[in-house]
Amino acid sequence: EAEVAQSPRYKITEKSQAVAFWCDPISGHATLYWYRQILGQGPELLVQFQDESVVDDSQLPKDRFSAERLKGVDSTLKIQPAELGDSAMYLCASSLVSAGEYNEQFFGPGTRLTVL
Amino acid sequence: KQEVTQIPAALSVPEGENLVLNCSFTDSAIYNLQWFRQDPGKGLTSLLLIQSSQREQTSGRLNASLDKSSGRSTLYIAASQPGDSATYLCAVTGGFKTIFGAGTRLFVKA
Repeated sequence: EAEVAQSPRYKITEKSQAVAFWCDPISGHATLYWYRQILGQGPELLVQFQDESVVDDSQLPKDRFSAERLKGVDSTLKIQPAELGDSAMYLCASSLVSAGEYNEQFFGPGTRLTVL
Repeated sequence: KQEVTQIPAALSVPEGENLVLNCSFTDSAIYNLQWFRQDPGKGLTSLLLIQSSQREQTSGRLNASLDKSSGRSTLYIAASQPGDSATYLCAVTGGFKTIFGAGTRLFVKA
């Protein structure tokens, strides 16, 4: 069964360090999403890609976060420098289409980030 | 701005009971509503997708309904089992935005 892959599953870092997360969407899915989920809350969209283009990054803290999807397949989310408040679960999702009724999203296992 | 609310925040039921989880949203201009399950420390598993033109969807013991005019969706779980214990999240998509509720934490007692 096709799945969204993410790595690493867990990351512990000290504040001011740089961290990077990787995501490989389901094959053929043109749309890729990065979400951040704080414990006890629902996921919040950070950035959405359609192929290699950014569709929405309005909630991405651009002073420290960056995301890329250079070839329109896998994607990397980077934080530099990490802050204590960045501790959260980072989830990647993909969908076949970017909008409309058939936009069913499938999630990866997530990366749990702890900033000390 | 779309807001999604899930009630109750937590629910504990004995095994075998039928139960209903609620999701409400403020903007009815949505494309679809999706229900997910999340186990502790894990990613989200898609349960059901209801398109805006549909009223309900069923999968096994799960049935989800959608009433756009009132801004509500319900997830009905029949004959609950301890393995159903998890957090259930609803998400509404409109335009290019997907907004999640905070979830309902369900515990099914054996």
